[in-house]
Amino acid sequence: AQTVTQSQPEMSVQEAETVTLSCTYDTSESDYYLFWYKQPPSRQMILVIRQEAYKQQNATENRFSVNFQKAAKSFSLKISDSQLGDAAMYFCAYRSDTGNQFYFGTGTSLTVIP
Amino acid sequence: GAGVSQTPSNKVTEKGKYVELRCDPISGHTALYWYRQSLGQGPEFLIYFQGTGAADDSGLPNDRFFAVRPEGSVSTLKIQRTERGDSAVYLCASSLMGYTEAFFGQGTRLTVV
Repeated sequence: AQTVTQSQPEMSVQEAETVTLSCTYDTSESDYYLFWYKQPPSRQMILVIRQEAYKQQNATENRFSVNFQKAAKSFSLKISDSQLGDAAMYFCAYRSDTGNQFYFGTGTSLTVIP
Repeated sequence: GAGVSQTPSNKVTEKGKYVELRCDPISGHTALYWYRQSLGQGPEFLIYFQGTGAADDSGLPNDRFFAVRPEGSVSTLKIQRTERGDSAVYLCASSLMGYTEAFFGQGTRLTVV
């Protein structure tokens, strides 16, 4: 089974600053998808950004961007101009091109300091 | 509906009782997932439906857990003889066939006392 590792249980960032959350994964497959989900206290998982493994270009969504290193099996999330509303748990997730499951990491709790 | 709806939002039950958790997916989404999230952990896969059939139930922990989706829309996760270790947030998600991302509901927090 694929594994997803988030080695930072907690992170903090000053408002308006930039923070990077780390994620590594283990797979033998060549085609797959990677995601970052945000989970606020409301519990609902909200998709932040996704990356297709066959694309070399890093995905970007407004203030959110990723650094996808396929050979290193690394998928970090950069949040620029951090806002108070960014405070939440962030989960990295993997899904193979042929599989049905999403595999999640254990999450990183992000605190934004005013 | 506009999003994935899960009911109830919270459920407290006594050890040994039977519970049902309901998921109403986004209209038109053929794929439906159930996940379980224990405190401080990421979601863990339980079961995946494509239409009415359970295409992958490899994540169900034991035979006390069962899920149905009789008409290919609403799904019910059923837990028999609940144990304290079943306490967790149960998340449901749905997606359009062929789409890669899933959309999650707000979950049901199950507490077994």
